[in-house]
Amino acid sequence: AQTVTQSQPEMSVQEAETVTLSCTYDTSENNYYLFWYKQPPSRQMILVIRQEAYKQQNATENRFSVNFQKAAKSFSLKISDSQLGDTAMYFCAFTPQETSGSRLTFGEGTQLTVNP
Amino acid sequence: EPEVTQTPSHQVTQMGQEVILRCVPISNHLYFYWYRQILGQKVEFLVSFYNNEISEKSEIFDDQFSVERPDGSNFTLKIRSTKLEDSAMYFCASSEVSRGSYEQYFGPGTRLTVT
Repeated sequence: AQTVTQSQPEMSVQEAETVTLSCTYDTSENNYYLFWYKQPPSRQMILVIRQEAYKQQNATENRFSVNFQKAAKSFSLKISDSQLGDTAMYFCAFTPQETSGSRLTFGEGTQLTVNP
Repeated sequence: EPEVTQTPSHQVTQMGQEVILRCVPISNHLYFYWYRQILGQKVEFLVSFYNNEISEKSEIFDDQFSVERPDGSNFTLKIRSTKLEDSAMYFCASSEVSRGSYEQYFGPGTRLTVT
């Protein structure tokens, strides 16, 4: 069974600053995908970024980037130039690649507040 | 851009009643999922569905729950006899699951309140 851990229940950052959210996971799988989802107050789940475990290059989507350390089973999210609209709950999630249509396993979430 | 839709956005029901939550997945997606999020907690997997049958279910998905794809577009979650602890946000998701594409796209959720 896979587990995903987010050890920071809450974080805050000043507008325009950079913040990093942490995520660790545990799995015996060798091939898998990792995701960060954003959940604003509307509670919609929005995909922010994904990382394939077989790729060594860290994924980047505009102001969002990840630091993927496969050996350490760590997958952190960096948000650059933070904006007020980034205020949300952020969930790290895992799914194995070998089995199609597998469940996403989520972490507990980190509530990020961007202050003006 | 195609998106997953869910109805209703909010459902209030009395304990013991049956509810049906509806979802329209993205049209070319093959896998469908239901997740639940109790207020203040993490998102939990309930069930996945492929080729008109359940492909995986969690321990939460007991005999009170059932899923169905009654036609070519809708995907439903039925809770037969609701309990207070079923109060949660229910998310439908779908994925294409072609090679290199494992993202699950979520609908806006249905807030279920059991009184």
